[in-house]
Amino acid sequence: SAVISQKPSRDICQRGTSLTIQCQVDSQVTMMFWYRQQPGQSLTLIATANQGSEATYESGFVIDKFPISRPNLTFSTLTVSNMSPEDSSIYLCSVERTGELFFGEGSRLTVL
Amino acid sequence: QKEVEQNSGPLSVPEGAIASLNCTYSDRVSQSFFWYRQYSGKSPELIMSIYSNGDKEDGRFTAQLNKASQYVSLLIRDSQPSDSATYLCAVRKRGSTLGRLYFGRGTQLTVWP
Repeated sequence: SAVISQKPSRDICQRGTSLTIQCQVDSQVTMMFWYRQQPGQSLTLIATANQGSEATYESGFVIDKFPISRPNLTFSTLTVSNMSPEDSSIYLCSVERTGELFFGEGSRLTVL
Repeated sequence: QKEVEQNSGPLSVPEGAIASLNCTYSDRVSQSFFWYRQYSGKSPELIMSIYSNGDKEDGRFTAQLNKASQYVSLLIRDSQPSDSATYLCAVRKRGSTLGRLYFGRGTQLTVWP
């Protein structure tokens, strides 16, 4: 398994602001993955974060809206920029280990 | 057509019964299949993975895969109230990055005493 810590666990944000979510993993990993789980919707991959290079974004997600940093092999951040109520969601950091995908506890954002 | 579809539920079964959860996927080149359990307010946790046609058993859980029918299922035998959760089906396509999974919306299961 993997120990993945995310901060904040939840937050209430105002429309138009930005929030950065942090993800810390217990050991070094090449890739870290950011997922979104909107209410009633399926988990959807936002982007893959590689250390030392730009993140790779999935269709429908752009760097200006979801900038990602990956300063080292155990840490990553996801920023949700210029938030709107549609961004209210759970954001999950995940890593692959032994062929399986493990998730952090998630960051539940509510945008008013 | 969605990549992964699950029977929407909710599914309610009595304690001790068999719970059957179903999932279909659209892309024939999918090669790895996973079932995650997600308790309310918690993150998904992996409970089963299956890679080849047939059945795979782990304790009270059995995953079944039929690639010809593009169908994967999860059976929970002797269901317990602690099994009450949302079950997510996930698929990895051939050649995809290991962390790139396609998820269904989940099926909410309630096991009543």
